[in-house]
Amino acid sequence: DAGVIQSPRHEVTEMGQEVTLRCKPISGHDYLFWYRQTMMRGLELLIYFNNNVPIDDSGMPEDRFSAKMPNASFSTLKIQPSEPRDSAVYFCASSQGTGGGYTFGSGTRLTVV
Amino acid sequence: GNSVTQMEGPVTLSEEAFLTINCTYTATGYPSLFWYVQYPGEGLQLLLKATKADDKGSNKGFEATYRKETTSFHLEKGSVQVSDSAVYFCALRAGSYQLTFGKGTKLSVIP
Repeated sequence: DAGVIQSPRHEVTEMGQEVTLRCKPISGHDYLFWYRQTMMRGLELLIYFNNNVPIDDSGMPEDRFSAKMPNASFSTLKIQPSEPRDSAVYFCASSQGTGGGYTFGSGTRLTVV
Repeated sequence: GNSVTQMEGPVTLSEEAFLTINCTYTATGYPSLFWYVQYPGEGLQLLLKATKADDKGSNKGFEATYRKETTSFHLEKGSVQVSDSAVYFCALRAGSYQLTFGKGTKLSVIP
């Protein structure tokens, strides 16, 4: 199993530009989570899906952020327009059922200049 | 609500020293407890877990025991190595499908 795959690994963009982060969960996992990690705030849950349906998006910081999961093998997190304060590492994670832990991807390091 | 409190780092130890990273929690119901490790430039990896009181999770020489009476899940290792240098996160899952993480403890092991 290739694990959770995120792309790109690094993204540098200018303020105001649209950014799209991508995630491929582990096949058969029915939960998908998007996290943001910064030095100041640690790990923050942004949104999670169950069977491709968004369940809780209360962690999405504002309307500039949106996430989709069009099918069981793909999810996107979009920021439009991006701002410097969005600079962080964004992680995707997936899990099967509710009893175990998550498998995390390697993350996307986003820098907005 | 659910919360996890970890000892603040950074923690610096010499190789072969004994490691303890404290973790306490508050939760509704009966949580499952986890330790994750994050090596530099990588995502979080599940290190060990325990799903009920008095369970002991173990992996790669690390251990943690689920103590319901003290609401604790302290991480221990008898002899750390330089390769154990990383950030360690305690987490719980209770009553919902999301993990609640502590703020992480950075461990540095020096030769």
